[in-house]
Amino acid sequence: DTGVSQDPRHKITKRGQNVTFRCDPISEHNRLYWYRQTLGQGPEFLTYFQNEAQLEKSRLLSDRFSAERPKGSFSTLEIQRTEQGDSAMYLCASSLIARKETQYFGPGTRLLVL
Amino acid sequence: DAKTTQPNSMESNEEEPVHLPCNHSTISGTDYIHWYRQLPSQGPEYVIHGLTSNVNNRMASLAIAEDRKSSTLILHRATLRDAAVYYCILSGNTPLVFGKGTRLSVIA
Repeated sequence: DTGVSQDPRHKITKRGQNVTFRCDPISEHNRLYWYRQTLGQGPEFLTYFQNEAQLEKSRLLSDRFSAERPKGSFSTLEIQRTEQGDSAMYLCASSLIARKETQYFGPGTRLLVL
Repeated sequence: DAKTTQPNSMESNEEEPVHLPCNHSTISGTDYIHWYRQLPSQGPEYVIHGLTSNVNNRMASLAIAEDRKSSTLILHRATLRDAAVYYCILSGNTPLVFGKGTRLSVIA
């Protein structure tokens, strides 16, 4: 049983560069979520997909952020023109479509913008 | 979003039971009560969830007040590996909303 995987685990970039993260959910899960977590805070919701459709975006997801899940399997999160404030842990989670919505999280990608 | 209130931190001795409280006075009738925990440098991990009745699984027990305005996560015998941030979350049909959780320290 493979869980949610994320790649890369760590990314250091310079301000102004673009970065892309990948998430591979648990294979039979329809829903895929992206969260961001800064130091000392709980994860904050960014966006989620049901199959390939992006159903909800948080106001935290500025125009510089874009997420895709083209075939309803893996997803990518891209940040354009990174800023130092984007430094955070980016977490991916997946779940089945169910009222109780138990989510399974990946290990996260830690981004540092210099 | 329905809100939860948890203590910032708690401490427990190893091999003793731990009761982690959560208040959720604005819970709606359809909200599930979820608990997740996050170990250092890892993503959150599902612990347990319930709607109205108390629940047990291999990790923990969840005691839900009769009026559903509060709940308690019970770790029956804390180990050093249980040191983590524990989040109490209400979920209906929306993405999870995490607070700051309770940081549990376990003393050997």
